[in-house]
Amino acid sequence: DIVMTQTPLSSPVTLGQPASISCRSSQSLVHSDGNTYLSWLHQRPGQPPRLLIYKISNRFSGVPDRFSGSGAGTDFTLKISRVEAEDVGVYYCMQATQSWTFGQGTKVEIK
Amino acid sequence: QVQLVESGGGVVQPGRSLRLSCAVSGFTFSSYAMHWVRQAPGKGLEWVAVIWFDGSNKYYADSVKGRFTISRDNSKNTLYLQMNSLRAEDTAVYYCARDSLLCVDVWGQGTTVTVSS
Repeated sequence: DIVMTQTPLSSPVTLGQPASISCRSSQSLVHSDGNTYLSWLHQRPGQPPRLLIYKISNRFSGVPDRFSGSGAGTDFTLKISRVEAEDVGVYYCMQATQSWTFGQGTKVEIK
Repeated sequence: QVQLVESGGGVVQPGRSLRLSCAVSGFTFSSYAMHWVRQAPGKGLEWVAVIWFDGSNKYYADSVKGRFTISRDNSKNTLYLQMNSLRAEDTAVYYCARDSLLCVDVWGQGTTVTVSS
């Protein structure tokens, strides 16, 4: 099974400042079809998760452009260019290249 | 608009069964694979099962294989999860979610399952 490891697990950030979350997979996420099925999701307290980014760097409909994804192979990053109050919550990476697995989650809170 | 509404959760004793449902609206249900994902209290997300758009393929997490069965009725726009031999560690919020080209793009609000004697 592919194991997804996120760092950090907790990230206190200042409003208006950037934030970055790393996700590493235990094996390459490049699918036999050439795509890399790495997504990022955001979950606010008491809410279901919502999709932010799919296939490494594609923003889902309605997602602000302050969110960006990058990476390749086994190393991926989610960046928030300027954190806003509504960005608090837990961020998960998820791979769908071989079955489906989530990272442990990274809690983003305001300092 | 696109909606996924789970139901069927509750409190159940260890070893008993429960069936969850997910009623879908706002999109062509029969065109999409669907997932169940769960979240134990205070924990992260755990993928549980997926079913292909036509029901032809089903895959399960090792933690539920042999105990849970995912199914769907495309005529009723409904996804199901039959959970047998429930254990305390199955206690979680269960979400149904839509698969769109191998990303999970729409989620329901979840239904809570508590396994306790």
